[in-house]
Amino acid sequence: KAGVTQTPRYLIKTRGQQVTLSCSPISGHRSVSWYQQTPGQGLQFLFEYFSETQRNKGNFPGRFSGRQFSNSRSEMNVSTLELGDSALYLCASSLESMGGRYFGPGTRLTVT
Amino acid sequence: KQEVTQIPAALSVPEGENLVLNCSFTDSAIYNLQWFRQDPGKGLTSLLLIQSSQREQTSGRLNASLDKSSGRSTLYIAASQPGDSATYLCAVVDYGGATNKLIFGTGTLLAVQP
Repeated sequence: KAGVTQTPRYLIKTRGQQVTLSCSPISGHRSVSWYQQTPGQGLQFLFEYFSETQRNKGNFPGRFSGRQFSNSRSEMNVSTLELGDSALYLCASSLESMGGRYFGPGTRLTVT
Repeated sequence: KQEVTQIPAALSVPEGENLVLNCSFTDSAIYNLQWFRQDPGKGLTSLLLIQSSQREQTSGRLNASLDKSSGRSTLYIAASQPGDSATYLCAVVDYGGATNKLIFGTGTLLAVQP
């Protein structure tokens, strides 16, 4: 079974721009969650989607948004990028909301 | 509020040594606990998943135990190899919590010296 895939793997953007990251979960998994990882803050939860519905949202500003499609693929969008948004963005899929999580390779976002 | 702590923060051992990584959590009402490894700049690789009703899980040279009553989990690595060098993270999912999110520890950076 193919693992979780994330595209693109690397991104360089300028302050004020917006960005969209994509995540394809393991086949059959309906839950997708997103995490931000930075050296200073560690791994922080962004949001979780299950069957196209946002179940939970972390403590991030409204510039961070996401969605999930009927095929369980998910996208997250960050608008009006700030330098502090530079991070590794990780997507995880699970069979159901409380199950084990399986992570993708991440998207490295650099904001200049 | 659930908090997860990992000790030690860093560990260096010679190749072949058996070692134990520790994970503590403050609220015993967890649904499951998962151990991950992360190589520099990479995503997280799931190592072992322990459901709240289980006491341990094994995979190859890895064995993870769970003691919910004391809020502790350990990851035992037998006969360590240089390829085991990575950051090891434990994470819990709160049982019945509103968040259903993984709550991560700060990790243990492991270096296995050849």
